Amino acid sequence: SAVISQKPSRDICQRGTSLTIQCQVDSQVTMMFWYRQQPGQSLTLIATANQGSEATYESGFVIDKFPISRPNLTFSTLTVSNMSPEDSSIYLCSVRLRVGNTEAFFGQGTRLTVV
Amino acid sequence: GQQLNQSPQSMFIQEGEDVSMNCTSSSIFNTWLWYKQDPGEGPVLLIALYKAGELTSNGRLTAQFGITRKDSFLNISASIPSDVGIYFCAGQLRGGSQGNLIFGKGTKLSVKP
Repeated sequence: SAVISQKPSRDICQRGTSLTIQCQVDSQVTMMFWYRQQPGQSLTLIATANQGSEATYESGFVIDKFPISRPNLTFSTLTVSNMSPEDSSIYLCSVRLRVGNTEAFFGQGTRLTVV
Repeated sequence: GQQLNQSPQSMFIQEGEDVSMNCTSSSIFNTWLWYKQDPGEGPVLLIALYKAGELTSNGRLTAQFGITRKDSFLNISASIPSDVGIYFCAGQLRGGSQGNLIFGKGTKLSVKP
């Protein structure tokens, strides 16, 4: 497995502002992902963070709202832009260690509350 | 989109009892994964299954990949209070993109000492 650290672990933000969440992995990984988990719900994939190129977004998620960076094989950021209360969720960073390996490992999550 | 039907939604059991939960779909999966999520934490991988019919154990946990490739179950034997949490199944569709794991809605387990 891998040790995945997310920062911040939680935050309370004003609507209309933006928050950037960081994900740091203790080893190089081939694939990094960002998920959203709304209160009491399951996990929904936002996007795949691609090193050195634009992220691949799932249906219903757009780059303007959730810009993602991945400058190297151990680090990625997710920004939640122009936040509204509907963005209140847990945001999770996930990694797969090798191409073809399906097992996904998760960070501890960032609990975001928008007021 | 594709869905996984996970049941039961919640369970209240006595310490020492066995637990069973399952996920079903109308689609065929290449991989089944089972996760546990504690409050305030990310999901932790418990068991990964890669072949139809595969039965895999991890301590008191046992999971099976259904023969039809459309379902999987997780059993917990002799439950203890620290088993409390939400259990998620996740699967990768046959022919699906590398990135996309589909998650069930979770089974919330409560254990009475």
